[in-house]
Amino acid sequence: AQSVSQHNHHVILSEAASLELGCNYSYGGTVNLFWYVQYPGQHLQLLLKYFSGDPLVKGIKGFEAEFIKSKFSFNLRKPSVQWSDTAEYFCAVTSGGATNKLIFGTGTLLAVQP
Amino acid sequence: EAGVAQSPRYKIIEKRQSVAFWCNPISGHATLYWYQQILGQGPKLLIQFQNNGVVDDSQLPKDRFSAERLKGVDSTLKIQPAKLEDSAVYLCASSLGRSLGNTIYFGEGSWLTVV
Repeated sequence: AQSVSQHNHHVILSEAASLELGCNYSYGGTVNLFWYVQYPGQHLQLLLKYFSGDPLVKGIKGFEAEFIKSKFSFNLRKPSVQWSDTAEYFCAVTSGGATNKLIFGTGTLLAVQP
Repeated sequence: EAGVAQSPRYKIIEKRQSVAFWCNPISGHATLYWYQQILGQGPKLLIQFQNNGVVDDSQLPKDRFSAERLKGVDSTLKIQPAKLEDSAVYLCASSLGRSLGNTIYFGEGSWLTVV
């Protein structure tokens, strides 16, 4: 069965620091990958998604992620974080087939200190 | 555009009691999902509807959980009887369809505490 691992459970950064959150998935076939963000008190929102094509995907708010098939990874990056990026970040993958069934990682809680 | 609406936002019940959560998806969205998010974990799909039919309920504990979407719009998720381990956030989500190109939009969730 598909699974997603997020190894960083809590990350604390100062403003302007660079961010990289790890995400690894288990399935060796065709995958579709997502990063969702949940700001305090708000609903889950899609940050970016990868289906095919250019493995470097750009999302909202300056975030990007790189799909590296050989490493089964889809790490999230941002060159310079802001206090407003404080949130929980979830990596997700579709389970295979043609349906929209998302399998989520356990999430990474990011705290950005001003 | 209105988002996915859920109610109630917060509920505290005793174990063995019942609870029901309601969801109104984004207008026109044929696919509706219920996810369970336990503290410290990522959301887990409980059930997926396409219009008023069930597409996937493989992870729904059917001995105590039930869900319906009778008219293909609103949906209710019921737990009866509740157990302590059901304490979680119940997220409703919707998308235009169930093919991979459709973005899934989430509601703010219904927080359940079972004591």
